[in-house]
Amino acid sequence: GAVVSQHPSWVICKSGTSVKIECRSLDFQATTMFWYRQFPKQSLMLMATSNEGSKATYEQGVEKDKFLINHASLTLSTLTVTSAHPEDSSFYICSSPLSQSDTQYFGPGTRLTVL
Amino acid sequence: AQSVAQPEDQVNVAEGNPLTVKCTYSVSGNPYLFWYVQYPNRGLQFLLKYITGDNLVKGSYGFEAEFNKSQTSFHLKKPSALVSDSALYFCAVALNKFYFGSGTKLNVKP
Repeated sequence: GAVVSQHPSWVICKSGTSVKIECRSLDFQATTMFWYRQFPKQSLMLMATSNEGSKATYEQGVEKDKFLINHASLTLSTLTVTSAHPEDSSFYICSSPLSQSDTQYFGPGTRLTVL
Repeated sequence: AQSVAQPEDQVNVAEGNPLTVKCTYSVSGNPYLFWYVQYPNRGLQFLLKYITGDNLVKGSYGFEAEFNKSQTSFHLKKPSALVSDSALYFCAVALNKFYFGSGTKLNVKP
């Protein structure tokens, strides 16, 4: 199946700093990727859809200026958490859209801890 | 509004016994239905899906799920649980985007 990687897998940062999370599709090209946020023991919440060559589409309630999403190429999407605060601590997961085989492939996730 | 419900936060079962993890949904149209498994600090792994056709779908690791249109349910089942099946399980439906259930923690005890 398709492989999606994320880097870093775990990051700890100080409050007020910015953190960039990379999501790469290793064996396929994607014009869109999804970004999810997952709090402990909770479900995945769709944050936004990144679009190659155009602006990301954000879900209602997600701050565009706080969570900057860029789809730089057909194999790379990035999420930058700007001016991070402790409440931004969460597990961030990217995924592909539904493939031709009607399957969505998820990255391994990035654990962000803001001190 | 679209919604997916997993009524049990946790399911406990003894190894070797059958297991069921419940999922019901409320969406418009004919959605695609999925089950995913998540291990600690990991992304989601695909288990199985229902698109159309036979209501009983077989997936990875011996899991299967039964689509029941009248009850709008898609319960996950396995005839004989393994300790290694212990994980967090998510039901999801896909229309124009994915809607996930809240997750059910499966504990399989030796």
